[in-house]
Amino acid sequence: GDSVTQMEGPVTLSEEAFLTINCTYTATGYPSLFWYVQYPGEGLQLLLKATKADDKGSNKGFEATYRKETTSFHLEKGSVQVSDSAVYFCALIRAGGTSYGKLTFGQGTILTVHP
Amino acid sequence: DTGVSQDPRHKITKRGQNVTFRCDPISEHNRLYWYRQTLGQGPEFLTYFQNEAQLEKSRLLSDRFSAERPKGSFSTLEIQRTEQGDSAMYLCASSLNWGNTEAFFGQGTRLTVV
Repeated sequence: GDSVTQMEGPVTLSEEAFLTINCTYTATGYPSLFWYVQYPGEGLQLLLKATKADDKGSNKGFEATYRKETTSFHLEKGSVQVSDSAVYFCALIRAGGTSYGKLTFGQGTILTVHP
Repeated sequence: DTGVSQDPRHKITKRGQNVTFRCDPISEHNRLYWYRQTLGQGPEFLTYFQNEAQLEKSRLLSDRFSAERPKGSFSTLEIQRTEQGDSAMYLCASSLNWGNTEAFFGQGTRLTVV
């Protein structure tokens, strides 16, 4: 079945450091890939997405590129801020009409950014 | 309508009791999903509605769980005879009814079974 694997956390960085959170997936066909973020006390929010190979999703300084050859969708940001402290989830929706937009999530990575 | 809303936000119940959660999706969204999230894990799919029809149920959804969306608008998730293993965050999400469009999530209902 479909699965998403994220790098082990938690991740602790100083402000302005470079961030990478690794994400790899297993799915048939060409799934759509997503990063969701969950700030403390809030619901999941879509951060960025990519729907086909070599697409780059970007938002709020975060980027991720859909790599079909390595089945990866790593999240990066050049300079993190304290306000980026949150839990980040990589997710996919399987290709095809019967997926109904159902998301399969990774286990989440806790990011803490210190001033 | 500013987003998906869930009620209650927190619920503490004794083992063996029944609980019911409500989700109000974004008004024009036909698709509605329930997920469960336990500590340190990502959300896991429970069930999906397209309008009022329940089209898919996960094997995680035992016969103690039932979900409805009677008029294709709000949805309820009921857990009967709760067990301590049911303690989790229950998330509701909604999306438009085409392709792989963005799902919008509510803030969730945190259930604690004591």
